[in-house]
Amino acid sequence: SYELTQPPSVSVSPGQTASITCSGNKLGDKYTCWYQQKPGQSPVLVIYEDNKRPSGIPERFSGSNSGNTATLTISGTQAMDEADYYCQAWDSSTGVFGTGTKVTVL
Amino acid sequence: QVQLVESGGGVVQPGRSLRLSCAASGFTFSIYTMHWVRQAPGKGLEWVALVSNHGSEKYYQDSVKGRFTISRDNSENTLYLQMNSLKPDDTAVYYCAKDYGSAYTMDVWGRGTTVTVSS
Repeated sequence: SYELTQPPSVSVSPGQTASITCSGNKLGDKYTCWYQQKPGQSPVLVIYEDNKRPSGIPERFSGSNSGNTATLTISGTQAMDEADYYCQAWDSSTGVFGTGTKVTVL
Repeated sequence: QVQLVESGGGVVQPGRSLRLSCAASGFTFSIYTMHWVRQAPGKGLEWVALVSNHGSEKYYQDSVKGRFTISRDNSENTLYLQMNSLKPDDTAVYYCAKDYGSAYTMDVWGRGTTVTVSS
């Protein structure tokens, strides 16, 4: 079955850039999206179709996808961005989520 | 506003059944594919199943195939998940989610309903 691998954790200082990777076989051939989930809350879509932001999502969130890796970048990270982040793609009629990354803003 | 409200969760013994519901409002339910996603305690997200807008296409996670059935009633704007032969590993918060309309992206999520499978 298809797998998406993310680093368990990423730490970033306020105002700096956080990059979260998502690795999967030929992931660049698929659309990838990203979700943010804060403790006790439902996931929120922050990036879809590799690099598009839904309305209401700040410009500091951006995405890219090429080769075997998709990346979510948070520029000028704020304390409110501290959360778990999950990538997601579709493969062989099955939805696949990444393993998840906890972003800590120190 | 766009809203999804899940219900039907609870505590159930292994081997028993449960049916979850998801009431949709604020959008034209019959146009969109819908999903169920679950999250076990302290774990990540796991996609469970999807049903196309008119119910003709259904896809499932391997771990639930043959035990879970996704369905919808467009006249009642409601999504369902019938769960049979439940196992302790099915213990999770179950979310329903609306498909964005492209690449099976989920753009609106409910608050979830908790299913606990325990003897």
